[in-house]
Amino acid sequence: GAVVSQHPSRVICKSGTSVKIECRSLDFQATTMFWYRQFPKKSLMLMATSNEGSKATYEQGVEKDKFLINHASLTLSTLTVTSAHPEDSSFYICSAVGTEAFFGQGTRLTVV
Amino acid sequence: AQSVTQPDIHITVSEGASLELRCNYSYGATPYLFWYVQSPGQGLQLLLKYFSGDTLVQGIKGFEAEFKRSQSSFNLRKPSVHWSDAAEYFCAVGGGRRDDKIIFGKGTRLHILP
Repeated sequence: GAVVSQHPSRVICKSGTSVKIECRSLDFQATTMFWYRQFPKKSLMLMATSNEGSKATYEQGVEKDKFLINHASLTLSTLTVTSAHPEDSSFYICSAVGTEAFFGQGTRLTVV
Repeated sequence: AQSVTQPDIHITVSEGASLELRCNYSYGATPYLFWYVQSPGQGLQLLLKYFSGDTLVQGIKGFEAEFKRSQSSFNLRKPSVHWSDAAEYFCAVGGGRRDDKIIFGKGTRLHILP
């Protein structure tokens, strides 16, 4: 089946710094990718829809200047958490759409 | 816009017993429907999906789900659970196109009694 690779799987960063998470479709092209956030013991919340070559569409309540999304190629989308704070600590999961949506394995972000 | 409801936050069943996890969706047309499983600290694993056709869908690990349009439901079933089935289960609904966003339910935590 199609593979979506997310990197890094875990990251710890200091408060105030920025961290970039990559989502790659390894064996297919994805015009559309999605970014989700999951709080502990909670469901996945859709943050934004990433479209190759255009601006991302953010869900209501998600700060676009805080969570920068870039989808510069058909196989790569990145999520940058800018000026991270402890409340940004979470599990972030991407999904890339080929014949259907395929999910990455997630990135555990801890801001200290 | 689509939405999905999982009315049970926790379900406890004995090993070897049958299982049914409930899921109700809201969408104006025929949606794409999914069940995912997530073990603690892990990513998502797709159990099964419904796009069209036969309303009884077979998935991995012995799971099945039935799409019932009249009830707006997509309940997940397994005839005999194993201790390894203990996990969080998410029902999800997509729009009418494969590149529509997928919205997740709040999840049901499955506990297995020995």
